[in-house]
Amino acid sequence: SQTIHQWPATLVQPVGSPLSLECTVEGTSNPNLYWYRQAAGRGLQLLFYSVGIGQISSEVPQNLSASRPQDRQFILSSKKLLLSDSGFYLCAGQESYEQYFGPGTRLTVT
Amino acid sequence: SQQGEEDPQALSIQEGENATMNCSYKTSINNLQWYRQNSGRGLVHLILIRSNEREKHSGRLRVTLDTSKKSSSLLITASRAADTASYFCATDAWQGNTPLVFGKGTRLSVIA
Repeated sequence: SQTIHQWPATLVQPVGSPLSLECTVEGTSNPNLYWYRQAAGRGLQLLFYSVGIGQISSEVPQNLSASRPQDRQFILSSKKLLLSDSGFYLCAGQESYEQYFGPGTRLTVT
Repeated sequence: SQQGEEDPQALSIQEGENATMNCSYKTSINNLQWYRQNSGRGLVHLILIRSNEREKHSGRLRVTLDTSKKSSSLLITASRAADTASYFCATDAWQGNTPLVFGKGTRLSVIA
């Protein structure tokens, strides 16, 4: 199994400020990695996934970008946050068929 | 899209009762998984059922899969207050390296 680390747990940022959320993976090599966003009481929206270093697939056009500079590191970024970027962000890694999730970051854009 | 869709959206039961949640999907799958999410936390994998399986058990969980109807059900027997959470189904397509597709979830409340 693998462990997904995410930080911070909560974040309050003003509109127009930059964002960088980091996710690191422990316990496996070359995992598929995912960034999801979840609105309150709703399902998961897949934002980005990566099958290897430097390989990023974007599912939804948006104000966000992702990078994978190392095998076990996945970063979600924005140059200028919008109010609509508020939400609960989850990073996940996949081993075989099962996904392992991090604890999530609650982002509030004010 | 082969998005799974859970039914009902919300379910409230008394402790000790059984809880049944359903998931429907649209296209052929390799396997179907169920995940649980406690409020404000990440999702946790519960059980996986392959497309050639019809039923699977794990503790108080029972999952069924009917590929002809493109549906699955999750049964939690003898529910406890600690089972209160959201439950999501996720489908895995036959194509390699395509992401899991998660449904919108069922919010289960178990009242002590």
